[in-house]
Amino acid sequence: TQLLEQSPQFLSIQEGENLTVYCNSSSVFSSLQWYRQEPGEGPVLLVTVVTGGEVKKLKRLTFQFGDARKDSSLHITAAQPGDTGLYLCAGARTNAGKSTFGDGTTLTVKP
Amino acid sequence: DAGVIQSPRHEVTEMGQEVTLRCKPISGHNSLFWYRQTMMRGLELLIYFNNNVPIDDSGMPEDRFSAKMPNASFSTLKIQPSEPRDSAVYFCASGGARNTEAFFGQGTRLTVV
Repeated sequence: TQLLEQSPQFLSIQEGENLTVYCNSSSVFSSLQWYRQEPGEGPVLLVTVVTGGEVKKLKRLTFQFGDARKDSSLHITAAQPGDTGLYLCAGARTNAGKSTFGDGTTLTVKP
Repeated sequence: DAGVIQSPRHEVTEMGQEVTLRCKPISGHNSLFWYRQTMMRGLELLIYFNNNVPIDDSGMPEDRFSAKMPNASFSTLKIQPSEPRDSAVYFCASGGARNTEAFFGQGTRLTVV
């Protein structure tokens, strides 16, 4: 059983469109991270959310942590080809140590 | 600042051979993680260290896998003997004060034939 479920698994859109990807769990997390991974590279940390209901913005990316700290979403406005990649969420149940990763959403933005 | 450095980037070996993957974490980070990524299983945590001490190795698949961290600037992941099902990309990551955040290296792509 996957602790973190990400959806959709694959998403292909045109440049300029908006999109939202989701990360859901039945477990409560003390913190949750979003990463982006490009082919041949390691995941790169985008953001950490720790407070229920928290919203963080990173340019065209908006991250939200659910009120109950069980789920999160990532919204991209006016997607660009450079946003193409694998988006991974990772949750930690405590403030120390290991996080569990979801399977990711593979995003393709076509020019 | 240099990020996490892994070597080699690519490794092709024959079944039964010993494989050693190396990692230099970011200076000052006190947590180190070894992950394995495959299409079938995604990103799996194998083991993590805090202050050079192994804290959780429950993700290590079997006794053929071992990891060491002799000092704060170096870690190894060894597979002996290697098998074709070990083929994957192995990532090392380090974490600082907020050690749930991981900063990844570029990975080692291992192919066992």
